Amino acid sequence: GQQVMQIPQYQHVQEGEDFTTYCNSSTTLSNIQWYKQRPGGHPVFLIQLVKSGEVKKQKRLTFQFGEAKKNSSLHITATQTTDVGTYFCAGQDTGNQFYFGTGTSLTVIP
Amino acid sequence: DGGITQSPKYLFRKEGQNVTLSCEQNLNHDAMYWYRQDPGQGLRLIYYSQIVNDFQKGDIAEGYSVSREKKESFPLTVTSAQKNPTAFYLCASSITSSYNSPLHFGNGTRLTVT
Repeated sequence: GQQVMQIPQYQHVQEGEDFTTYCNSSTTLSNIQWYKQRPGGHPVFLIQLVKSGEVKKQKRLTFQFGEAKKNSSLHITATQTTDVGTYFCAGQDTGNQFYFGTGTSLTVIP
Repeated sequence: DGGITQSPKYLFRKEGQNVTLSCEQNLNHDAMYWYRQDPGQGLRLIYYSQIVNDFQKGDIAEGYSVSREKKESFPLTVTSAQKNPTAFYLCASSITSSYNSPLHFGNGTRLTVT
C-alpha cells in the first residue's frame, strides 16, 4: 500500500542552526502538504506543493517537491524557539486520500 | 469564527464501554475525517466522509463507527471491540475531498480507557 516515510523522527538543534526534514513516498503523489503541530496542539496547515520540482518559501521556511513527485523536504533557516513542534508531510494520490508521514519532532535549544 | 469543535478535550472510560466523540464544523466543508494519533506513528485515518449520509473506512476502521446525518457533524463511536482505544483523536475537514483541499483540524480529544 501507499506509504510516506519521514526522517528524522527527532531533531534537536541549537537556536540559530538550520533544520531539515525529508519525506519519501513509495508512489507518485498528486500533491504534498506540510503541517505543523505545536506540543499539546493540533496540526495546522502550512503549505501545499503541486508541481514537479516546485519550491516555495515562507519567511525562514523553504519547501521543495521532487522532480518525480515522490519526495519533499522542509528546511528551516536559523531556527527560533517558536519553531518547536512536530512537522508532518501529507501526500495525496490520485484517489485523493491523505497519507501522513510519521512526523519530525523539532526541539530548539535556546 | 469558523472552525472545528471537538468535545470533550479529555475523556475517561472503563474498558468495555462504548464512547462517542463529538466533532462539529461551521466551515461549510463537504468532507470530514477522523484520525488517530499515537506517539511516533503519525496520523492514521479511521473514517472519512465526502458528503452527507456517506462515509468510507480508512486504514484502521475496526472497532470504530461513524455517522454523517448532517453536514456539520461527524461523530465517532469507539466501541468495546477496539482493542487499544487509548489515543489522541483528531477530527478534520476540508472543502471537498478532491486534491488541493487542505485539512483543518479540531483541537482533538484525548481518550483514556482503563
